[in-house]
Amino acid sequence: QLQLQESGPGLVKPSESLSLTCTVSGGSISSSNYYWGWIRQPPGKGLECIGSISFSGSGYSNPSLKSRVTMSVDTSKNQFSLRLNSVTAADTALYYCARLLCGGDCYGKVPNWFDPWGQGTQVTVSS
Amino acid sequence: QSVLTQPPSVSAAPGQKVTISCSGVSSNIGKNFVSWYQQFPGVAPRLLIYANSERPSGIPDRFSGSKSGTSATLDITGLQTGDEADYYCGTWDTSLSVGVFGGGTKLTVL
Repeated sequence: QLQLQESGPGLVKPSESLSLTCTVSGGSISSSNYYWGWIRQPPGKGLECIGSISFSGSGYSNPSLKSRVTMSVDTSKNQFSLRLNSVTAADTALYYCARLLCGGDCYGKVPNWFDPWGQGTQVTVSS
Repeated sequence: QSVLTQPPSVSAAPGQKVTISCSGVSSNIGKNFVSWYQQFPGVAPRLLIYANSERPSGIPDRFSGSKSGTSATLDITGLQTGDEADYYCGTWDTSLSVGVFGGGTKLTVL
């Protein structure tokens, strides 16, 4: 059974960078059938997709965050990562990683649904 | 402000049926598959419905989804107190090139 686990600092200072890693177990990250994504949920609020990346490194980022977001994949470690620059208190949230499926091979398609999700990791931006 | 629009809350009695709506536009729901997620407090969301109306293995057939045009609905029949949770719709937005979600609907089973 595929499992995802987020890891990274729980506290980040304003104006610094947030870095998170998602480790995938029970399956390979190197499949053309999936993207790998990051979603966040501010306290008491809804879900926001940050972006997604394929095993080859191609991906998409939320336009509202695009200039601050970098995503990468390490197939040798079966991990993918997120870096969010210049954080503010508004970036305080529960951060989830998830697998995105296209419904078969992703070539020529967009990812449509998220399954499974990691358990989430709380990131607080505060001095 | 979420890209997809859901009612903030719905409620119904045990055993009854509830419908949760999700409204979008042509660039998201109009063009792509809709999925639905269930989230209990303090727990990660769980996929309930994918590709508009398909259920992953292990999801009871009390949960069903449909899509028409730029809107989608999640139906839950035979409500149980254990169904009390937040429900989110999601899809891809072709114009934004990102996954998008509704604001979530809190289900109360009276």
